[in-house]
Amino acid sequence: AQSVTQLGSHVSVSEGALVLLRCNYSSSVPPYLFWYVQYPNQGLQLLLKYTTGATLVKGINGFEAEFKKSETSFHLTKPSAHMSDAAEYFCAVSDPPQNEKLTFGTGTRLTIIP
Amino acid sequence: DGGITQSPKYLFRKEGQNVTLSCEQNLNHDAMYWYRQDPGQGLRLIYYSQIVNDFQKGDIAEGYSVSREKKESFPLTVTSAQKNPTAFYLCASSGQGSNQPQHFGDGTRLSIL
Repeated sequence: AQSVTQLGSHVSVSEGALVLLRCNYSSSVPPYLFWYVQYPNQGLQLLLKYTTGATLVKGINGFEAEFKKSETSFHLTKPSAHMSDAAEYFCAVSDPPQNEKLTFGTGTRLTIIP
Repeated sequence: DGGITQSPKYLFRKEGQNVTLSCEQNLNHDAMYWYRQDPGQGLRLIYYSQIVNDFQKGDIAEGYSVSREKKESFPLTVTSAQKNPTAFYLCASSGQGSNQPQHFGDGTRLSIL
């Protein structure tokens, strides 16, 4: 079975600073990769996804992620943090690779410092 | 507007009682999923269904049951056999094709009285 590792359960950045949330997966076959955001007491909302093609993927709210096969990573970035970015972020991979089932990481809670 | 509706938003259960969580979607999606979310553990798959009248166990199916009699509906029953049911439950659906993202409802928070 796939596993997903999100380094850092809590990340704090200052407003206007770079946001970097890390995600690594375990698979020799490139899976489909997803980032979701969750606001308190709500469901998950898709930020972006990588399936095939360009390895730099742009999503909503100014976020982007780069698929790096050699590093088995799919880190999420945003150049300038906004207060509204405060939420929990989940990385997910298709499990088994290229399947409809997803395995989720344990999440990273992002705090924005004014 | 298309989406997934979970009800109720909050649910309380007494010891030894079964409760059913509702999940309805009008996205015309074939696949539906139930997840359990606990603090610090991410989302864990309980059951999923890829087609009407068929469903499969996920990673933590013990103490739960589901049915899929209609494409739009995928109710989850938390039985008295589930010893630690207090959690946030999320329902999701996805279209055909493994590259399709899952769409989520707003969740049901279940607590034990």
